[in-house]
Amino acid sequence: DAKTTQPTSMDCAEGRAANLPCNHSTISGNEYVYWYRQIHSQGPQYIIHGLKNNETNEMASLIITEDRKSSTLILPHATLRDTAVYYCIVRVGGGNQGGKLIFGQGTELSVKP
Amino acid sequence: GAVVSQHPSRVICKSGTSVKIECRSLDFQATTMFWYRQFPKQSLMLMATSNEGSKATYEQGVEKDKFLINHASLTLSTLTVTSAHPEDSSFYICSASPSGGADEQFFGPGTRLTVL
Repeated sequence: DAKTTQPTSMDCAEGRAANLPCNHSTISGNEYVYWYRQIHSQGPQYIIHGLKNNETNEMASLIITEDRKSSTLILPHATLRDTAVYYCIVRVGGGNQGGKLIFGQGTELSVKP
Repeated sequence: GAVVSQHPSRVICKSGTSVKIECRSLDFQATTMFWYRQFPKQSLMLMATSNEGSKATYEQGVEKDKFLINHASLTLSTLTVTSAHPEDSSFYICSASPSGGADEQFFGPGTRLTVL
């Protein structure tokens, strides 16, 4: 699976959009981009995933560049409860093909009042 | 959304004893479950992939005789840390994917193991 690079930490003001970048320049054609987050001492929480089209759900939006070498997770109106470590992961296939998620160091997002 | 539970949430044991951690998918069946370990201030490290009805697949460097995994049903996987030592103290987390090709993995809340 391709390696990802994320900033170690970011700050965001409460109520503003949080834009978390991720570089995955060696991504293969059959690899999806997944985003998870982990609040301290809890299990990771699934946020969103995509292959090449931009995706949006109730939690966030995922913007993937046309060449698929990078992506941005957008939390449109960050709240204090969004403070967490955010992980960008690339994984082969949808479904259970490949299956395993390899976590990097992630971005520690701090949402401040 | 799909729910994964772990039991116990926290366990303290003496060095040399064995500890069993359960991972259950509460509202879906999971052919495959995964076990991770997380040390303080570090990311999650995949330990093994647990397949219902067959042997687990361990990641490089993980001792299969020390970390016994059993996946006896489509809703339950267990991880047994045998002859635990203080260096095994960690946060153990499981995840599961619904059978039938769902894209997401759902994670349990984790189990905090402290070995004295």
